[in-house]
Amino acid sequence: DQQVKQNSPSLSVQEGRISILNCDYTNSMFDYFLWYKKYPAEGPTFLISISSIKDKNEDGRFTVFLNKSAKHLSLHIVPSQPGDSAVYFCAASEGDSGGSNYKLTFGKGTLLTVNP
Amino acid sequence: DTGVSQDPRHKITKRGQNVTFRCDPISEHNRLYWYRQTLGQGPEFLTYFQNEAQLEKSRLLSDRFSAERPKGSFSTLEIQRTEQGDSAMYLCASSPEGFSYEQYFGPGTRLTVT
Repeated sequence: DQQVKQNSPSLSVQEGRISILNCDYTNSMFDYFLWYKKYPAEGPTFLISISSIKDKNEDGRFTVFLNKSAKHLSLHIVPSQPGDSAVYFCAASEGDSGGSNYKLTFGKGTLLTVNP
Repeated sequence: DTGVSQDPRHKITKRGQNVTFRCDPISEHNRLYWYRQTLGQGPEFLTYFQNEAQLEKSRLLSDRFSAERPKGSFSTLEIQRTEQGDSAMYLCASSPEGFSYEQYFGPGTRLTVT
């Protein structure tokens, strides 16, 4: 049972355009959501996060949107740059409801390729 | 400011051998996590330490796996009698005490069991 789903294994966009990565979840106990970026041979790097009490969080070129009723979140990258090419993971946590263990549940990832 | 480090970065072993991996978290972080990532999948939670106490273990962590975090500093993950299905990337992450969801990952140890 996959609680966090990223249904697009890959996405290709042109430099300067918008990249939209999508994520769906099934566990209603999740109250915090994160996006991680991963380059080959490196560990995941934290990118941006959002609490379930918000519907949008913005950090520079990156914006995450949360639609709690639809159990859906998305990451927008504007404008996309070739250096953004990487695998993007959506992750979620139950936070305090799981005790002090803020373990993350990850999706399978989406490979983003930004073409020059 | 050093990040999370893991050693070794790569390990090739024969089936049936024991292997041990080490993780050094960010120094002021008291929470430490181990995850496993296989090809085409996202990282999956294995176990969690708060300081030296191991507070949760995933059902993925069979009795061939053991993890320790003596004195609440570095952590080790040992796999006994390795099987080909253990081949994966083993990731360590740490986070500070308190209300903090962001975890900082090391580069991982890639294990190949032949």
